[in-house]
Amino acid sequence: SYELTQPPSVSVSPGQTARITCSGDALPKQYAYWYQQKPGQAPVLVIYKDSERPSGIPERFSGSSSGTTVTLTISGVQAEDEADYYCQSADSSGTYHVFGTGTKVTVL
Amino acid sequence: QVQLVESGGGLVKPGGSLRLSCAASGFTFSDYYMSWIRQAPGKGLEWVSYISSSGSTIYYADSVKGRFTISRDNAKNSLYLQMNSLRAEDTAVYYCARGQDGDTNWYFDLWGRGTLVTVSS
Repeated sequence: SYELTQPPSVSVSPGQTARITCSGDALPKQYAYWYQQKPGQAPVLVIYKDSERPSGIPERFSGSSSGTTVTLTISGVQAEDEADYYCQSADSSGTYHVFGTGTKVTVL
Repeated sequence: QVQLVESGGGLVKPGGSLRLSCAASGFTFSDYYMSWIRQAPGKGLEWVSYISSSGSTIYYADSVKGRFTISRDNAKNSLYLQMNSLRAEDTAVYYCARGQDGDTNWYFDLWGRGTLVTVSS
């Protein structure tokens, strides 16, 4: 089955930049999306179609894509950004959806 | 307001059945593709199933195929998940999510708060 691979954890100091990668063979053909999940809460969409930001999401969240890897960048990290982050996409047919393994962002 | 509210979770024995419901409000439910997504305790997100706006197209993850059935009632603004032959590994919080067309695939822009399903003897 198709898989999306993320680093388990990223640590960053307040005000610095956090980068989270997500790798998958179908990413050159399929858009990717990013979700933020805080403890005890449902996920929230923060990036769609690789690099688009939904209304209400701070500008410090951005996304990019290069080949088989997509990246979520959080610029000027704030304490409130501490959360789990998941990428999401689909297999090459676009039929079966998959989430990445998840990355825990810790703000030091 | 725009929201999704899941219900129907609980404790069930292995091999048992459970039916989850998701009530939608604040938007035109019949216009949207809907999905169930689950999260085992302390684990990541796992897509379970989706159903098109009319109900004519349905897909399942391999892990639940043949055991779970997704359905919807657009007149009642409701989504359902019938879960049969439940296993311990089905223990999770089950989220209902609204799908948006991402051109090449779908993404989820509105989530419910989830309902916990525990499969244990």
